[in-house]
Amino acid sequence: SQKIEQNSEALNIQEGKTATLTCNYTNYSPAYLQWYRQDPGRGPVFLLLIRENEKEKRKERLKVTFDTTLKQSLFHITASQPADSATYLCAQMDSSYKLIFGSGTRLLVRP
Amino acid sequence: DAGVIQSPRHEVTEMGQEVTLRCKPISGHDYLFWYRQTMMRGLELLIYFNNNVPIDDSGMPEDRFSAKMPNASFSTLKIQPSEPRDSAVYFCASSEPFRDRDSYEQYFGPGTRLTVT
Repeated sequence: SQKIEQNSEALNIQEGKTATLTCNYTNYSPAYLQWYRQDPGRGPVFLLLIRENEKEKRKERLKVTFDTTLKQSLFHITASQPADSATYLCAQMDSSYKLIFGSGTRLLVRP
Repeated sequence: DAGVIQSPRHEVTEMGQEVTLRCKPISGHDYLFWYRQTMMRGLELLIYFNNNVPIDDSGMPEDRFSAKMPNASFSTLKIQPSEPRDSAVYFCASSEPFRDRDSYEQYFGPGTRLTVT
């Protein structure tokens, strides 16, 4: 069955640096990949969607890449800030509109 | 819009009791999703509806779980009888009609934290 894998270890970086989070999937390439942010005690919030035929998508300080050869998506936050500290979830979406989520990676940005 | 509304925010109950979780989606959204989140299993889709009709309930763990959507503005997730392993945060999410192929994001509610003792 399809799996979405994210690094379970927290990523700890200095303010101002670029944070890079990884999402790997097994088996088939999803039609879409979505990235969500989740803060403690809250529901996930949508950030970006990238399609299978897109290499890269940007939104302000955020950038997502999609490499179907490596079966991987990378999520970058440039000029990171302490307010970016949260858990980031990767999710695949197929034609049935169901989302399969990864376990999430916690990002800590030190001031 | 107030966003997706869930109630209660916290529920503590004893094993064997019936639990009902409630969700009000964003007005105009025609997809509604129920998820469960635990440390061990992460965020899992339980069931989703389109235009009040259940489309896929393959994620519902057992017959003890049931979900309904009697109208476009209300859905319930019921667990009867509840067990300690049902303890988790349950999220409801809704999304816009997929006529616009750029609109795939799901809007999540704040969740209901369920504790079964």
